[in-house]
Amino acid sequence: GENVEQHPSTLSVQEGDSAVIKCTYSDSASNYFPWYKQELGKRPQLIIDIRSNVGEKKDQRIAVTLNKTAKHFSLHITETQPEDSAVYFCAAPDTGANSKLTFGKGITLSVRP
Amino acid sequence: DAGVIQSPRHEVTEMGQEVTLRCKPISGHNSLFWYRQTMMRGLELLIYFNNNVPIDDSGMPEDRFSAKMPNASFSTLKIQPSEPRDSAVYFCASSRGQSSYNSPLHFGNGTRLTVT
Repeated sequence: GENVEQHPSTLSVQEGDSAVIKCTYSDSASNYFPWYKQELGKRPQLIIDIRSNVGEKKDQRIAVTLNKTAKHFSLHITETQPEDSAVYFCAAPDTGANSKLTFGKGITLSVRP
Repeated sequence: DAGVIQSPRHEVTEMGQEVTLRCKPISGHNSLFWYRQTMMRGLELLIYFNNNVPIDDSGMPEDRFSAKMPNASFSTLKIQPSEPRDSAVYFCASSRGQSSYNSPLHFGNGTRLTVT
């Protein structure tokens, strides 16, 4: 099955700085890589995703880059704001017969005002 | 679109009691997923359904856990008997696609279960 790991487990940045969160996966056949944001006490919500036929995708202040050779993908947040403080989960599919997403353990991002 | 609706939001029960969690997926979504979230283990997939049929229940911890989806608009996750280690937030999610990587997952607000 798929093994998804996130590093580091916590990240603290100053407001206005950029934050980069990295995720590695094990299944080289995986082809879909979403990022979910979960604010304290709330549900996870999809913020951006990328498919394996592109190397980068942007949406305003967030972007995701994919390196299929190295089997990792990263979430980039520019001009961070206090409301970006949350837990961020990456995920990748297990490409077996019953395909399903495997989530990483999550990274807690703190943006210091 | 009301989103995925879960009930109850909070459940406190004593060890040994039966617990039933409920979920209404987004209309038109044909895949439904039950996740459990704890600090130690993160988000774990328990079971998922496609077109009301259980596809993969390999994440169900043990026989005390069971899930049903009698129709396209309703699913239940039952724990009988409950134990303190079952305390967690249980999320239901739905998606339009056949699997969770064809289309995004939409999560409900979760049920926080506390077993004393």
